[in-house]
Amino acid sequence: DTEVTQTPKHLVMGMTNKKSLKCEQHMGHRAMYWYKQKAKKPPELMFVYSYEKLSINESVPSRFSPECPNSSLLNLHLHALQPEDSALYLCASSRLGVTNTGELFFGEGSRLTVL
Amino acid sequence: AQSVTQLGSHVSVSEGALVLLRCNYSSSVPPYLFWYVQYPNQGLQLLLKYTSAATLVKGINGFEAEFKKSETSFHLTKPSAHMSDAAEYFCAVSDRSGGSNYKLTFGKGTLLTVNP
Repeated sequence: DTEVTQTPKHLVMGMTNKKSLKCEQHMGHRAMYWYKQKAKKPPELMFVYSYEKLSINESVPSRFSPECPNSSLLNLHLHALQPEDSALYLCASSRLGVTNTGELFFGEGSRLTVL
Repeated sequence: AQSVTQLGSHVSVSEGALVLLRCNYSSSVPPYLFWYVQYPNQGLQLLLKYTSAATLVKGINGFEAEFKKSETSFHLTKPSAHMSDAAEYFCAVSDRSGGSNYKLTFGKGTLLTVNP
């Protein structure tokens, strides 16, 4: 069982739709991440939140909008996506501070298809 | 900058045979190293990690890896492959990237196939 929960598991949307991906963790981690993964490729970092503040944005197009309402929740708002944005979107969390080794705890992912 | 090289994008073994997945890293500081496994349509699951304690690290599902600083390697092994080991395996190195943030750099992955 994963301790990082992502919903929905599958999402199909048109290019004019607005949708959101949600992620929740209850491990007390203060860093949360969004990754994008295309087939047969490693995950690519999109955003990092530390203490609920955006700390890393890897030059992601503005049609992806992250939000961190509190220390347990992370959202990814999607608008006007392109078919090439179809991918597996992974949420992850990690500790911060002296105990941090960089280990990430991943959710099961949300499979997004853009038509 | 950190980097990870996984030798062999696809490794095929027979059930019961030794599994060896290779990973080499480059790092300007002592690294933290990880192996993750990904089954089809699932997220990444941590197999094991090296965090500067013992150089031989044991993980889940019978896997282990040895950190060799002189060879900048962190190869993953399992003495006897099982059909359920078929998956994609990612080696990763962590990189402190400003403040207390860590950024994982992943290798390109190795697909392990296990033949009956």
